[in-house]
Amino acid sequence: QSVLTQPPSVSGAPGQRVTISCSTSSSNIGIKAVNWYQKLPGAAPKLLIYSNYQRPSGVPDRFSGSKSGTSASLAISGLQSDDEADYYCAAWDDSLSGVVFGGGTKLTVL
Amino acid sequence: QVQLQESGPGLVKPSQTLSLTCTVSGGSISSGGYYWTWVRQHPGKGLEWIGCIYHSGTAYYTPSLKSRTTISIDTTKNQVSLKLNSVTAADTAVYYCARGYSYGTAIYDSWGQGTLVPVSS
Repeated sequence: QSVLTQPPSVSGAPGQRVTISCSTSSSNIGIKAVNWYQKLPGAAPKLLIYSNYQRPSGVPDRFSGSKSGTSASLAISGLQSDDEADYYCAAWDDSLSGVVFGGGTKLTVL
Repeated sequence: QVQLQESGPGLVKPSQTLSLTCTVSGGSISSGGYYWTWVRQHPGKGLEWIGCIYHSGTAYYTPSLKSRTTISIDTTKNQVSLKLNSVTAADTAVYYCARGYSYGTAIYDSWGQGTLVPVSS
């Protein structure tokens, strides 16, 4: 069981907006920045959002991130079939001196 | 543009040592504040952080694997290595190396393609 909790799955129709949550009760992580990764089958994870809401170059502005207290969210607007993937949140854990990943959320585009 | 490539044996037998190498090209492994990380994904499961190392050689490991894991760095070859001892079928996974942006973050901006390592007799 990950210290970062994500819903196992979310779904939406093309063009719609979905959000994926990532929450923790850990004080070691609660104040840390959250990052989001997109994982397509057979491909390496791709950095989607870093430091809660920053987008790397090349990531469409359809993807946005936010964080409040011990919860973070990834929002995807204008859903496309290509967005169908697994999404993971990740944060640094001071008690581990390492990284924890959320359990992952499978996005299905209906 | 930095590129990472994992390499290693295609199959490891139970109780043996899993050894993987991550070769970095397009940039020096010892430049900047980057750190180098191993992450794995068991079949059908989520991502698991294994550990990381800095160009200084200082390494950190996830507690559940710490007793069996060694991550090392060879700046002359621009390579990072992972050794996992006494493997079992539970260590069957796709193993990724990744470049971490800076210590104290979970920002990985470059990844290798990953290599599947089955553990089987």
